[in-house]
Amino acid sequence: DTAVSQTPKYLVTQMGNDKSIKCEQNLGHDTMYWYKQDSKKFLKIMFSYNNKELIINETVPNRFSPKSPDKAHLNLHINSLELGDSAVYFCASSQSSGPFTGELFFGEGSRLTVL
Amino acid sequence: DAKTTQPTSMDCAEGRAANLPCNHSTISGNEYVYWYRQIHSQGPQYIIHGLKNNETNEMASLIITEDRKSSTLILPHATLRDTAVYYCIVRVYNQGGKLIFGQGTELSVKP
Repeated sequence: DTAVSQTPKYLVTQMGNDKSIKCEQNLGHDTMYWYKQDSKKFLKIMFSYNNKELIINETVPNRFSPKSPDKAHLNLHINSLELGDSAVYFCASSQSSGPFTGELFFGEGSRLTVL
Repeated sequence: DAKTTQPTSMDCAEGRAANLPCNHSTISGNEYVYWYRQIHSQGPQYIIHGLKNNETNEMASLIITEDRKSSTLILPHATLRDTAVYYCIVRVYNQGGKLIFGQGTELSVKP
């Protein structure tokens, strides 16, 4: 069983479209994250949710809207896609969000290509 | 910005120990050093973390200098499957799961 699973794994779309990436974790963790890895391979945090509540929002454009229907799911919806949104998006989870969060478990990534 | 600096790349012979250095000269007293790795096209994988003392687990050992300004990750018997980008991360104490990744060290294990 995959601990953190993301769908789709690959997504190719046109500029201006709206798309969603889904993430689910079966580890019973309270906290989930979205990280973005750009073409230069830098990994950067975008959002973090703890028990469905937004706790980290790293100055991401409003076109990106995370949604957490329950603590096992964190979806990422992107409106009006731009070329610069092309990247690999990683979902992750951890037991908690406090100072002793412990390790993060990452999904396999969703590669988004905007044409 | 990442608080760590690492060499861009390193090579290691299969079966030998791989020693990956990391400088974190501005680390605060309550900040942990974490190591993750990313094997090509996969999600980052946790390896080990420490505060002051040296740590060992089934994957690696972490040696932290007494002044905590640098550390070394040791893979005791590197295999070809250890070829990956290794990230040294200083974990901000009060920001939970926020990991600030630097560029990492690309380790190539060669036969």
